[in-house]
This record gives sequence, structure tokens and C-alpha cells, in this order.
Amino acid sequence: GAGVSQSPSNKVTEKGKDVELRCDPISGHTALYWYRQSLGQGLEFLIYFQGNSAPDKSGLPSDRFSAERTGGSVSTLTIQRTQQEDSAVYLCASSRTSGGPGETQYFGPGTRLLVL
Amino acid sequence: AQTVTQSQPEMSVQEAETVTLSCTYDTSESDYYLFWYKQPPSRQMILVIRQEAYKQQNATENRFSVNFQKAAKSFSLKISDSQLGDAAMYFCAYRSARSSDKLIFGTGTRLQVFP
Repeated sequence: GAGVSQSPSNKVTEKGKDVELRCDPISGHTALYWYRQSLGQGLEFLIYFQGNSAPDKSGLPSDRFSAERTGGSVSTLTIQRTQQEDSAVYLCASSRTSGGPGETQYFGPGTRLLVL
Repeated sequence: AQTVTQSQPEMSVQEAETVTLSCTYDTSESDYYLFWYKQPPSRQMILVIRQEAYKQQNATENRFSVNFQKAAKSFSLKISDSQLGDAAMYFCAYRSARSSDKLIFGTGTRLQVFP
């Protein structure tokens, strides 16, 4: 596709349920990032993939959060046993390579997660 | 650890006027990159402008320019000839030249543009 896509656009779930959020990066982009944007806050880094490996997962807030990337393309962020504080917009970004720190990250439209 | 601070939660400007959004950051590194991103209500983050720390010349992109003061660790965004479509959240972001490529964001400034 032309840009980064994410699904679903919005997700409402009940506390304690598991959710999966999907990110389709721009074709050919090897680097993929997940960020979380809570209400009134800036974006908080969660995890970074280079290809299928995750050299930096330092931003994952707890062991309820996990992510994987397969085939160097699609990534899934999974939140187990969701809590109300997990409510936020989850944004995915991709870039052509991680070799240059100035490499532009292109963002998707995000998934708005609401945990009741 | 690096931090980014945007001290103006909200700003407003009249159409066709100029507005400056402030950003300061803290780092012990000498080589890094700075960015301004725009987030309209659609939630899509759009890169507005970027600055390499090793460059003394301020970056410009059409109506958007920055005032980069490395010693003061300041990186403000100037929007000239403001348009209604400039209304959005603006985020300042830092990226180390050494580490894992993640962006560190400020909390954002909401810009309103009045006709």
C-alpha cells in the first residue's frame, strides 16, 4: 500500500480480555516501531523491530505486552489481560532502514483502544 | 536519559500571521536529530521538518522553519503565513545518532488557527 496501515481503527474491550493490534508497514521498510499515545501525553516508545528481530523492547510497560513481526512485514502488538490504564492510541511507524538515525519514520493512523 | 519539553500546551494564531512553537530538550550527546511532527484530528503523524545537530544552518520547508540553538538546547518551529489547515497538534521529537532509533517526543502543542 501507499502508507502504513493499522487495524482495527478503534477497539473497545472489557477489562481482562486480550487484544491484538495489527500494523502493515510500507512495502520494503525494514524498520518498524510501536508507540503509545495516552490522553494529553506525547508518544511513548514501546518496541522497535529491525526485520523480524526486536533489538529494543525497552518501552514495553509490562509482561502483558508483547509484539512480533513475521516475514519482515506485518507486526502484531498483543496486550493480555487488558487494564483500564492500557486505554490509549497505539501508533505504528516504519522506515526504510535503521541505519541512519535521521531516516524518516512514517506513521500509521493508529488504533484507539478503550478498555472498559 | 534524553527528555523533550514543550511548555506551551496551546497556542493560537490568526490566519496569515506568524506563530512560533517552543521546544527544549536535554541530552548529553553531541550528535542527534530533531524533528517536528504534525498530528491533525485524523491522528496521522506527519513529518514537518527535521534538523541534524551537526548542521549550523536552520532547516526550512516552505512556510516552516526552525530556530535551532544547540548550546541552549532549544528547537523552536516558526510557521509563517498560517493557514487554516495548519491547525493540529505539533510534537517536537529527538532521536539519538547512536542508540536504537526510537523517537523521544514532547507532550505536544495544540495550535488553533482563526480566520
